Amino acid sequence: NAGVTQTPKFQVLKTGQSMTLQCAQDMNHNSMYWYRQDPGMGLRLIYYSASEGTTDKGEVPNGYNVSRLNKREFSLRLESAAPSQTSVYFCASRAGGDLGAFFGQGTRLTVV
Amino acid sequence: QKEVEQNSGPLSVPEGAIASLNCTYSDRGSQSFFWYRQYSGKSPELIMSIYSNGDKEDGRFTAQLNKASQYVSLLIRDSQPSDSATYLCAVNSGNTPLVFGKGTRLSVIA
Repeated sequence: NAGVTQTPKFQVLKTGQSMTLQCAQDMNHNSMYWYRQDPGMGLRLIYYSASEGTTDKGEVPNGYNVSRLNKREFSLRLESAAPSQTSVYFCASRAGGDLGAFFGQGTRLTVV
Repeated sequence: QKEVEQNSGPLSVPEGAIASLNCTYSDRGSQSFFWYRQYSGKSPELIMSIYSNGDKEDGRFTAQLNKASQYVSLLIRDSQPSDSATYLCAVNSGNTPLVFGKGTRLSVIA
């Protein structure tokens, strides 16, 4: 049982380049999330999808777009990367209701 | 705005002692509460869930909830160096994203 799988694990981008972070879960969870984690800032929610077909902005959505491709997959796109987007990105999923979320292994992104 | 507050630490305890980690939350309507452990360079791992007032024990871990005081804690008995990590408190208010605290860094000294 793989849980939540993110690709890639590491990525270096030049300023202005674009890329898509992929996330897939095999737990049949309804909700999926994208967070970024920076030193001293904790986990900050970028976007989330409460169910297939819906997406909503979180705390720090600027510079990002998302697609809930199907129930399993939720991707995060950086259209024009900026050094301020250097961070560790985590995808998470949750069945919903009162249950906790489960995280992928993270993507360490550096924008130079 | 829903907030979850934790002392950033570091909290240093000797091996074998009890580590006590605390968390307060602002939303009185919060319904479920979680503790995550995050080792350096790794992703958060769910270790405890608690839904009603009182204590919930799982091995060396005990979660405590007091909804009247809006307070959640995690006790780690017989602390081991392998428990050294950042512990994140998360709170759920219905079918909305979890709200996370910034975490408390725990260091268990051998």
